[in-house]
Amino acid sequence: RKEVEQDPGPFNVPEGATVAFNCTYSNSASQSFFWYRQDCRKEPKLLMSVYSSGNEDGRFTAQLNRASQYISLLIRDSKLSDSATYLCVVNMYTGGFKTIFGAGTRLFVKA
Amino acid sequence: DAGVIQSPRHEVTEMGQEVTLRCKPISGHDYLFWYRQTMMRGLELLIYFNNNVPIDDSGMPEDRFSAKMPNASFSTLKIQPSEPRDSAVYFCASRTPMGGRGSDTQYFGPGTRLTVL
Repeated sequence: RKEVEQDPGPFNVPEGATVAFNCTYSNSASQSFFWYRQDCRKEPKLLMSVYSSGNEDGRFTAQLNRASQYISLLIRDSKLSDSATYLCVVNMYTGGFKTIFGAGTRLFVKA
Repeated sequence: DAGVIQSPRHEVTEMGQEVTLRCKPISGHDYLFWYRQTMMRGLELLIYFNNNVPIDDSGMPEDRFSAKMPNASFSTLKIQPSEPRDSAVYFCASRTPMGGRGSDTQYFGPGTRLTVL
């Protein structure tokens, strides 16, 4: 079982739709969580950190469920420019630092 | 404010040649990471440094790969000899120091697209 798992998609949604991605992690020692966005042939860029209390940034909402060991990303009112791959990232501190990226979920927003 | 800088952006070489990739992290960041990304395997962590010291190189595929960080503002990833299966995009990332919100966050360079013929 992979330490960080994401549905690879692709998710094909119309403009204006709401779309949600989930990411599960297996190590309960995981301590910090992030969503990154990667456009085609570009580097991953931080979208948002994920805090236990949940956090929102405009149309984007991230949530963390430690009990079930998953994080989620909700995108409201999807735009064409939201088309990208969304990577889930988990950092752990278990006798040392470890960072694991999920394989990513591809999103296509259509006009 | 400059981000992570990588060079070269593209590299095409022949099998058996030595390849050196370069990275300049963001000033003040105390961690530096080297990743490799392919369609088949996604983003893989190769090695990371903390305060210029290699901490975990368990992701380095084999002895043909080596990385150094002689000072806080420069790191290299070397492949010698290179093979076609090394073709990938190699990213360098640096991380903000721990402490407070916004810490523990990695920032990526634009990557080096390596093609080994």
